Amino acid sequence: DADVTQTPRNRITKTGKRIMLECSQTKGHDRMYWYRQDPGLGLRLIYYSFDVKDINKGEISDGYSVSRQAQAKFSLSLESAIPNQTALYFCATAASGVPVETQYFGPGTRLLVL
Amino acid sequence: GESVGLHLPTLSVQEGDNSIINCAYSNSASDYFIWYKQESGKGPQFIIDIRSNMDKRQGQRVTVLLNKTVKHLSLQIAATQPGDSAVYFCAENHTGRRALTFGSGTRLQVQP
Repeated sequence: DADVTQTPRNRITKTGKRIMLECSQTKGHDRMYWYRQDPGLGLRLIYYSFDVKDINKGEISDGYSVSRQAQAKFSLSLESAIPNQTALYFCATAASGVPVETQYFGPGTRLLVL
Repeated sequence: GESVGLHLPTLSVQEGDNSIINCAYSNSASDYFIWYKQESGKGPQFIIDIRSNMDKRQGQRVTVLLNKTVKHLSLQIAATQPGDSAVYFCAENHTGRRALTFGSGTRLQVQP
């Protein structure tokens, strides 16, 4: 969905390096999420945020941190990258105040940690 | 703990046939279910959803069936087309929980 953009789309880094993945959205949604996808597995939630001052850990938050700088931006950081963080990372957004929650995903960032 | 899973990792169908993708869940409190489609190199895309007070919902060429008794969800695609080739995920949520739980996905391959 072009309304949710992620940068970079691909990244190669070395063990121990700090990297940041960016997510921006023009959908006006309050809720934003970061997921990780490994080959043959489903999406696993890393962190999520329901507004600028709200940060919540997901099921696999260890080794990651996030920043919600504005309603439209949600960044994911790997403080010290390790090889098992090699994965496909997705950002998603959702509207609040509706009975059901439908998430809209960005195109993904493919990360390789050497 | 709660889990959302799929019966088959890969489903191969002939073009024009109907496809059925299955999903099992374990949380009795689940009250909202979504199917997503993920094409190669892209993010998941919403297909259809259903709440637990329904047992069937239809969209364009797709139908979702929910059997709460056996905690089973299925996605039916009518007249499957090559463009339907993708990985399909089910996801669930329940009131009070702030995030979805995703299944591991089923790859649908459409043979010409």
